[in-house]
Amino acid sequence: SAVISQKPSRDICQRGTSLTIQCQVDSQVTMMFWYRQQPGQSLTLIATANQGSEATYESGFVIDKFPISRPNLTFSTLTVSNMSPEDSSIYLCSVARKAGALVTEAFFGQGTRLTVV
Amino acid sequence: AQSVSQHNHHVILSEAASLELGCNYSYGGTVNLFWYVQYPGQHLQLLLKYFSGDPLVKGIKGFEAEFIKSKFSFNLRKPSVQWSDTAEYFCAVNAGGTSYGKLTFGQGTILTVHP
Repeated sequence: SAVISQKPSRDICQRGTSLTIQCQVDSQVTMMFWYRQQPGQSLTLIATANQGSEATYESGFVIDKFPISRPNLTFSTLTVSNMSPEDSSIYLCSVARKAGALVTEAFFGQGTRLTVV
Repeated sequence: AQSVSQHNHHVILSEAASLELGCNYSYGGTVNLFWYVQYPGQHLQLLLKYFSGDPLVKGIKGFEAEFIKSKFSFNLRKPSVQWSDTAEYFCAVNAGGTSYGKLTFGQGTILTVHP
């Protein structure tokens, strides 16, 4: 298994500001991802955090709004920039391991509950 | 792009009742299928997964799921639920050939079990 720590666990932010969320994993992992869970909705993948290169964003998400860093195999950050109330969501870090040619499963952090006022 | 549909938003059962949560996906190729559970105040945890082989997979806490390829379904079952099963359940799909770990989730089903 993988133990994932996210910081902060929750925050209330003013619109127009930015928040950086940290994700620390207890061991090296190949794949790291960031998801968003808007109120009453399911999880949506924002991007894949690539170690040593730019993140790969899903449709509808852009680097200017959600810059991501991944300086090594155990750590990543997601910044929510120029926030508006529509960014109020739970943001989750996820990691996946491969066992040979198979991915074993994806593990999730406890999430960061963001409220923008 | 693949999508996942869960049939029920909220299911309410009494203890010892049987449970079946529906999940259908749309993707024509090889898929890996998962059910995750989120207990109140906790993070997502894996219940069970299907990659290949026997389409009936057993997970933790007495849960099982059956992959029916012809129906694009992966329904979750438990013969007798407990109050502690109260949680939100998510079906998820990883399309084979895409980046491992990239998941498309269903909308989630909230299960409430009354003692």
